[in-house]
Amino acid sequence: QQQVKQSPQSLIVQKGGISIINCAYENTAFDYFPWYQQFPGKGPALLIAIRPDVSEKKEGRFTISFNKSAKQFSLHIMDSQPGDSATYFCAAARGISGSARQLTFGSGTQLTVLP
Amino acid sequence: ETGVTQTPRHLVMGMTNKKSLKCEQHLGHNAMYWYKQSAKKPLELMFVYNFKEQTENNSVPSRFSPECPNSSHLFLHLHTLQPEDSALYLCASSQLAPSAGMAPSTNTGELFFGEGSRLTVL
Repeated sequence: QQQVKQSPQSLIVQKGGISIINCAYENTAFDYFPWYQQFPGKGPALLIAIRPDVSEKKEGRFTISFNKSAKQFSLHIMDSQPGDSATYFCAAARGISGSARQLTFGSGTQLTVLP
Repeated sequence: ETGVTQTPRHLVMGMTNKKSLKCEQHLGHNAMYWYKQSAKKPLELMFVYNFKEQTENNSVPSRFSPECPNSSHLFLHLHTLQPEDSALYLCASSQLAPSAGMAPSTNTGELFFGEGSRLTVL
């Protein structure tokens, strides 16, 4: 599997602050970049996803920024809340039409938002 | 509730035991996956089933044996495991990725995960 590198490994942010998590990928054939959120004792759940034909996608307080030339993408959480404390995973996949989507995941970032 | 149910949630087994993990999805999806999640490591894709046909086996040791009797059920049969196999095993399901030329739909090929089976091998 092609690697997806994620940083930082852990992040502590004050309530109301901005959380930023970064990922870099190698395989230029990837065309689907989701972010997953995982709470303790739960499976990962899709938070937001982007395709490489746009440079930014925003959903509420969550924004993905995508830099195709640098092969990097990042997650920004605006006005971070204690309820956002979780582990965040970036991922990438080559969306072969009509096939199962095989995600390559980053190693995860444990976010703690202090009250 | 994600629509993907895994049992058991916790399993402790000796190295000589044989056990099975079960996954059931109620989402009408046609692809199912097994992932392994270990501490401080990326989720590792183990097996992929597409319409009950295994399409990927990422060099997983033969002591892990998957079974997909239909598009709603997925099993992972375990035998003679090693302590380093202790991890959280996650099942996921999805629709197949959208085909080129398809009419726009809500299908994103998104993976829906279960809550996992925490396996401890003594």
